[in-house]
Amino acid sequence: AQTVTQSQPEMSVQEAETVTLSCTYDTSENNYYLFWYKQPPSRQMILVIRQEAYKQQNATENRFSVNFQKAAKSFSLKISDSQLGDTAMYFCAFMKQTTSGTYKYIFGTGTRLKVLA
Amino acid sequence: GAVVSQHPSWVICKSGTSVKIECRSLDFQATTMFWYRQFPKQSLMLMATSNEGSKATYEQGVEKDKFLINHASLTLSTLTVTSAHPEDSSFYICSARDQGPSGSTEQYFGPGTRLTVT
Repeated sequence: AQTVTQSQPEMSVQEAETVTLSCTYDTSENNYYLFWYKQPPSRQMILVIRQEAYKQQNATENRFSVNFQKAAKSFSLKISDSQLGDTAMYFCAFMKQTTSGTYKYIFGTGTRLKVLA
Repeated sequence: GAVVSQHPSWVICKSGTSVKIECRSLDFQATTMFWYRQFPKQSLMLMATSNEGSKATYEQGVEKDKFLINHASLTLSTLTVTSAHPEDSSFYICSARDQGPSGSTEQYFGPGTRLTVT
């Protein structure tokens, strides 16, 4: 069974600094997708960034980038120039297509990030 | 962008009653919707996958007779918590996949429904 592990329950970073959130996963699949979602206090889940496993190039979205190490099954998120609005719960998620043709998402336990002024 | 709505945003019900939560995709069609449960300060736990026009697929340990799912159209899925008990109190989140030509693998989340059973 697939599992997603986020080993950092809580982290803090000074405004304008850089922070890296770690995520590891376990799977025997070769084709899958990885995501980072942000859940602010409003609890609305927001997609931050996604990575296709077949792509070697690390995904980047403005201040957010990932370090995808497929062999190591690692998918860390780097937030540059941290802003107060980045304060939220961050979830790493794994997605694969099931044998029935639907998609299944598995979420990590989350990392609570606090950006300090 | 794709928008998913949920109604109600919060609901309080008495123990033993049933409550229905609606999940709608507002600007796209979704043959597949997902229902999650989230306890305070915890992750999202997938409860079931809702398939338009067919039975939902429940995750192991989720009682299908207690959590009734109906996906009657391409834009609406409902979750009914039957004979609710205080331990059913939680935050319920739905999501939907855009089945458009792009074949998106992204899921779009609703804002969630907070259920409190007294």
